[in-house]
Amino acid sequence: GAVVSQHPSWVICKSGTSVKIECRSLDFQATTMFWYRQFPKQSLMLMATSNEGSKATYEQGVEKDKFLINHASLTLSTLTVTSAHPEDSSFYICSAWTSGGPRYNEQFFGPGTRLTVL
Amino acid sequence: AQSVTQLGSHVSVSEGALVLLRCNYSSSVPPYLFWYVQYPNQGLQLLLKYTSAATLVKGINGFEAEFKKSETSFHLTKPSAHMGDAAEYCCAVSDRLEKLTFGTGTRLTIIP
Repeated sequence: GAVVSQHPSWVICKSGTSVKIECRSLDFQATTMFWYRQFPKQSLMLMATSNEGSKATYEQGVEKDKFLINHASLTLSTLTVTSAHPEDSSFYICSAWTSGGPRYNEQFFGPGTRLTVL
Repeated sequence: AQSVTQLGSHVSVSEGALVLLRCNYSSSVPPYLFWYVQYPNQGLQLLLKYTSAATLVKGINGFEAEFKKSETSFHLTKPSAHMGDAAEYCCAVSDRLEKLTFGTGTRLTIIP
């Protein structure tokens, strides 16, 4: 139980285009989802916290107009990288926070999405 | 601000040998501490967590970690390595249970 999926698992796009990444909690409801980014040989860095039905909270230094987050339901959050540039190439990982059940207060992570911007 | 340092980006141990993965943290408040494991093509899985209860925390797959406040450490150990333990291991710290600050990870290789 407590599976989180991400789609796509990898994507290559041209500079200037937008890319949408989906994060789904498959067998539980998540009121909160987190988006992380990991550059090579660096640690996972929290980008933003996504709450269902409300605006996302972004970490310092993360451009909210560039990384659009939508958490329209208790099982789906999307991250859209707008006008992507090569420096946005990274590994994007989401996690979902359970709001109830025997494993509440635990984050469950998706397998990640590798974005390459040419 | 919080931070995590994982010494050794790559660790190799022989099958059956002791596994020791090091994690040191910095936190201005009592921390919550976590170890995650990631197998290829899978998401991070929680191995164990320290939430201010017992300082010796037992996790899944025979792993355990000990919180040592005086050393600001939370090293991960397993008495006997198995081939299936080969994976990426990440230590994380939080001042709450949700916002995590991660270390850079340690790749564990098991030598047959």
